Amino acid sequence: QKEVEQDPGPLSVPEGAIVSLNCTYSNSAFQYFMWYRQYSRKGPELLMYTYSSGNKEDGRFTAQVDKSSKYISLFIRDSQPSDSATYLCGEGFQKLVFGTGTRLLVSP
Amino acid sequence: SAVISQKPSRDICQRGTSLTIQCQVDSQVTMMFWYRQQPGQSLTLIATANQGSEATYESGFVIDKFPISRPNLTFSTLTVSNMSPEDSSIYLCSVLDRGGEQFFGPGTRLTVL
Repeated sequence: QKEVEQDPGPLSVPEGAIVSLNCTYSNSAFQYFMWYRQYSRKGPELLMYTYSSGNKEDGRFTAQVDKSSKYISLFIRDSQPSDSATYLCGEGFQKLVFGTGTRLLVSP
Repeated sequence: SAVISQKPSRDICQRGTSLTIQCQVDSQVTMMFWYRQQPGQSLTLIATANQGSEATYESGFVIDKFPISRPNLTFSTLTVSNMSPEDSSIYLCSVLDRGGEQFFGPGTRLTVL
């Protein structure tokens, strides 16, 4: 069983939609969670970084961690074509463990 | 956040040869890391590059295959040795900033023929 699992997609939505990206993880000791956005042929860009359970909001992005169900979510409001990218969820403080990434396509 | 550059950005190499990838950061950082991103697979940590000492390798990665140097707090190199087509991948360096956030370089896209 992989430590972090993520649906590879692609997930296609129209512009303006609310996007929900999700990951599950297996290790109950995980504490630090993050979301990265990766455009094609670019390095991953840190979007959100959270500790333990709860929500964190930054502009159109909300990260949610539910440790009881080992579930990590990223919500994108008012999605834009520029949000089209691969989104990686991960866990860790120094050594990071990632899911395979979900490819998101936002059509105008 | 730190600004990270990598050289080369891409390369095509013949099997059996070696390639050295450079990672430069615009500020001093304590911790630098090297990751591999193979097609359709998770971004995977190869090793932690320690300044002034040997790198710390993750399970499945060995120094003979992936020697790493870290001569100072702003620079590191990763060498992919005796390459085979299975080494075709994107190699990324990353740094840990003082806030505990990890930032990645743009990556080096390697194709081995």
